[in-house]
Amino acid sequence: DTAVSQTPKYLVTQMGNDKSIKCEQNLGHDTMYWYKQDSKKFLKIMFSYNNKELIINETVPNRFSPKSPDKAHLNLHINSLELGDSAVYFCASSQDLSRTGRNTEAFFGQGTRLTVV
Amino acid sequence: AQSVTQLGSHVSVSEGALVLLRCNYSSSVPPYLFWYVQYPNQGLQLLLKYTTGATLVKGINGFEAEFKKSETSFHLTKPSAHMSDAAEYFCAVISMDTGRRALTFGSGTRLQVQP
Repeated sequence: DTAVSQTPKYLVTQMGNDKSIKCEQNLGHDTMYWYKQDSKKFLKIMFSYNNKELIINETVPNRFSPKSPDKAHLNLHINSLELGDSAVYFCASSQDLSRTGRNTEAFFGQGTRLTVV
Repeated sequence: AQSVTQLGSHVSVSEGALVLLRCNYSSSVPPYLFWYVQYPNQGLQLLLKYTTGATLVKGINGFEAEFKKSETSFHLTKPSAHMSDAAEYFCAVISMDTGRRALTFGSGTRLQVQP
């Protein structure tokens, strides 16, 4: 009964490949996110979706494309992988922050460690 | 734009000693503030949060933090460190005056607890 689950946990792939990371939440939340954590542990927002609508799209190469088939899922597809894409990618979810401030915390998945070789 | 500064990328304390992890924020209006903990090879877990109301907030595992608007700070404390507290700690902010409702994180502080 994991709240936010992402697969796979580890992903090792060669440069130039295309890969996807899947994320699902069973919390009934409206908003989902992708964060990237670099080798220095710094966390940066990449995308957020609210009810399948893209809300935040930070300066991320267009090789990264999020897809939200429904509000419980937010997948991340990466084309033409580069060495610099190696990082840990975290999926998270929260209530719709525009409606209320009380349930604002984000719940995180366990992360996907992507290694590009 | 909002930002978060965590002073000290590494903090080392002895078991049983006071833990103090510093966090300062920059925001045009009082933001919502959070502390998350990350154990090795795991995701982030919420320790505590401040939204409105009482400025001293208690969280899990004996941690607490105090929101000080005049100092734009939200420092995390624990009276007595335990070995199991060794982890990476992140302060984060959401500013409610923008449409950008996502967590902005500080750079993290690694807490080491010496026996």
